[in-house]
Amino acid sequence: NAGVTQTPKFRILKIGQSMTLQCAQDMNHNYMYWYRQDPGMGLKLIYYSVGAGITDKGEVPNGYNVSRSTTEDFPLRLELAAPSQTSVYFCASSYGGTGRETQYFGPGTRLLVL
Amino acid sequence: GQQLNQSPQSMFIQEGEDVSMNCTSSSIFNTWLWYKQDPGEGPVLLIALYKAGELTSNGRLTAQFGITRKDSFLNISASIPSDVGIYFCAGRSSGANSKLTFGKGITLSVRP
Repeated sequence: NAGVTQTPKFRILKIGQSMTLQCAQDMNHNYMYWYRQDPGMGLKLIYYSVGAGITDKGEVPNGYNVSRSTTEDFPLRLELAAPSQTSVYFCASSYGGTGRETQYFGPGTRLLVL
Repeated sequence: GQQLNQSPQSMFIQEGEDVSMNCTSSSIFNTWLWYKQDPGEGPVLLIALYKAGELTSNGRLTAQFGITRKDSFLNISASIPSDVGIYFCAGRSSGANSKLTFGKGITLSVRP
C-alpha cells in the first residue's frame, strides 16, 4: 500500500490564483482530513470527511473548499489564494473517527503565496 | 476551543541522555496520542493511550495517560541522533466523530 499520497509537494502561487491540492489513500479508510501546519503552531483542522459525499468544516475552513466523490480521494481547493494561506498542508486518513482509529498522514504539500 | 499546551518549544540534549516531555490541557481527553514529525515529512504515530493511568512503551519511548485525563507524558531514554524531530501530543474527547486537538509541538535536537 502507498498509504496517503499528496501532490504537489511544493507550489508557489500568486495572490488571487486558485489551485487544488490532491490527496489519495489506498487503505479503504472512511475518514479523511485536511490540516494546515504553520511554524510553531501545530496542526489545525481545515475540513474533514466521514465518507464519500460527506464533508464538514474543521477549525479553520475559511478560504478553502473540499469534495469527497470517492472513498479514495479528498482534494482541497483554494479559490483565491492569499498570503495567509502560505503553510504546509497535510492530508490524513483513518478507518473510523472515534475510539482507537489511528490517523495516517501524507508527506505534505508546501504552499507559498506571494 | 480545546487547547493542548506543550513547552518548551525547543529542547536540546546530549546523545545518550533521557528526555521527558509533557502535554497539558484544561479539558478532559479520552485518548492521548504522541506523534513525531521528521523534517519534510508528515507526523507518524508513536504511542496511543486510551485509559487513564495507562503506561505504554514503544522501544525507548514510554508514554503515560495522566490520572486526571488532562495530561500526558512522553519519555525518551538513551537518546540517539535520529530522535531529532518535532514531537506532538494530540488528544481526543468523547463523542461521535470527535476530532483530534494537537499541541504546538516540541522540537528536539540531539547533540552527538
